[in-house]
Amino acid sequence: GQQVMQIPQYQHVQEGEDFTTYCNSSTTLSNIQWYKQRPGGHPVFLIQLVKSGEVKKQKRLTFQFGEAKKNSSLHITATQTTDVGTYFCAGSSGGSNYKLTFGKGTLLTVNP
Amino acid sequence: DAGVTQSPTHLIKTRGQHVTLRCSPISGHKSVSWYQQVLGQGPQFIFQYYEKEERGRGNFPDRFSARQFPNYSSELNVNALLLGDSALYLCASSLVGGSWETQYFGPGTRLLVL
Repeated sequence: GQQVMQIPQYQHVQEGEDFTTYCNSSTTLSNIQWYKQRPGGHPVFLIQLVKSGEVKKQKRLTFQFGEAKKNSSLHITATQTTDVGTYFCAGSSGGSNYKLTFGKGTLLTVNP
Repeated sequence: DAGVTQSPTHLIKTRGQHVTLRCSPISGHKSVSWYQQVLGQGPQFIFQYYEKEERGRGNFPDRFSARQFPNYSSELNVNALLLGDSALYLCASSLVGGSWETQYFGPGTRLLVL
C-alpha cells in the first residue's frame, strides 16, 4: 500500500532560525496536503498542492511539490514560538479518490 | 457555524469492553472520515462514510465498525477492546469526502484501554 514518510521526526530550533520538513511517498501522488497539530490539539489544514513543481507561500511558510509528484517540503522562515507543533503531510494516490495517507509528522519545538 | 464536534472527549475502558464514539460534521458536509492517532504517529485512516454508505475502509480488524445517520452524524464502534486501541480517535468532515478536499477535524476522543 501507499506509504508516506516524513523526516526529520523531531526538530528543535532557536526562535528566528529556519525549519524544513520533508515528505516522501512510495507512489506518485494526485495531491498532497499539509496539516498542523498543536500539542494536545487536532490537525488543522494548512494548504494543498496539486501540480507538479508547484510552490505556494503563506507568509513565512513555503510549500513545494516535487516535479515527480512523489515528494514535498514545508519550509518556515524565521520561526516563532507560535510555530510549535507537529506538521503532517497527507497524500492521495490515483487509486483512491477519497483516502488520505498521513505521514508520521515532524514535531517542531522552538526555543524563545 | 459550529465546527466538527465529537463525544465524549475522554474515555477509559478495560480490555474486552466495547466503546461507541460519536461525531457531528460541519453543517452541509455529507462525508465523515474516522482516523486513529496513536501517540507520536500520524492519523491512520479507519473508515469513510458518504451519504450513509461506507466508501472505504483502512487496514483495521472487524472489531471496528461505523455507521452514518440520515443527519450525517456518525458513530464509530470498537468491540473487544485491546490495550493497543488506546489512541486519539479523530473524526473529519468534508463536503463529499474527496481526497482533494480540506478535512476538517474534530477535537477527538482520547480513549485509554486498561
